[in-house]
Amino acid sequence: AQSVTQPDIHITVSEGASLELRCNYSYGATPYLFWYVQSPGQGLQLLLKYFSGDTLVQGIKGFEAEFKRSQSSFNLRKPSVHWSDAAEYFCAVGLNTGNQFYFGTGTSLTVIP
Amino acid sequence: EAQVTQNPRYLITVTGKKLTVTCSQNMNHEYMSWYRQDPGLGLRQIYYSMNVEVTDKGDVPEGYKVSRKEKRNFPLILESPSPNQTSLYFCASTWTGLSFSGANVLTFGAGSRLTVL
Repeated sequence: AQSVTQPDIHITVSEGASLELRCNYSYGATPYLFWYVQSPGQGLQLLLKYFSGDTLVQGIKGFEAEFKRSQSSFNLRKPSVHWSDAAEYFCAVGLNTGNQFYFGTGTSLTVIP
Repeated sequence: EAQVTQNPRYLITVTGKKLTVTCSQNMNHEYMSWYRQDPGLGLRQIYYSMNVEVTDKGDVPEGYKVSRKEKRNFPLILESPSPNQTSLYFCASTWTGLSFSGANVLTFGAGSRLTVL
């Protein structure tokens, strides 16, 4: 079955530590890949996207993500987390067929001082 | 300011009392969609619309209706709400131009938290 998997429901990191959020997808072809962030009480905001080309993409707020075709993964990283990064993060795929976007279950990030 | 506006933001209602959650976008986007967000389940698509008068079911359409009479508006209708429709709802839109592409970036509203007692 087609799916987007975020295996970590909740992650806690210390401010200044590095961060990696995992995302795996299961689709026949390479889909369009996105990471969105949802701050408390807000809608989702795009962090970054991958369509083709360079497999390491840069996004806003110092985030980056790497597409690995062999692992069907699109993990999100940040070298040094700030307290303001505490939020929920969603990995998503976009498919040309079915006219839809699919989202993972989200990873909630807590940042401790 | 380019945005997707949802109303109401918060609503508590009772079982069976019809309600409508409005969604309006000012970006002339063709594609609009409704999602519900539940703990542990992420965002699941309820309905989407490719353009005026063109709507289709997403993954969880049961108990919901939509309409797209104008390009900017895409209301979500709960004819007879039940407690299992208690959720956080998001409307989103994107430009598609001549054809839909999964590469398009969604713009989300701020969400509508619905509680059905």
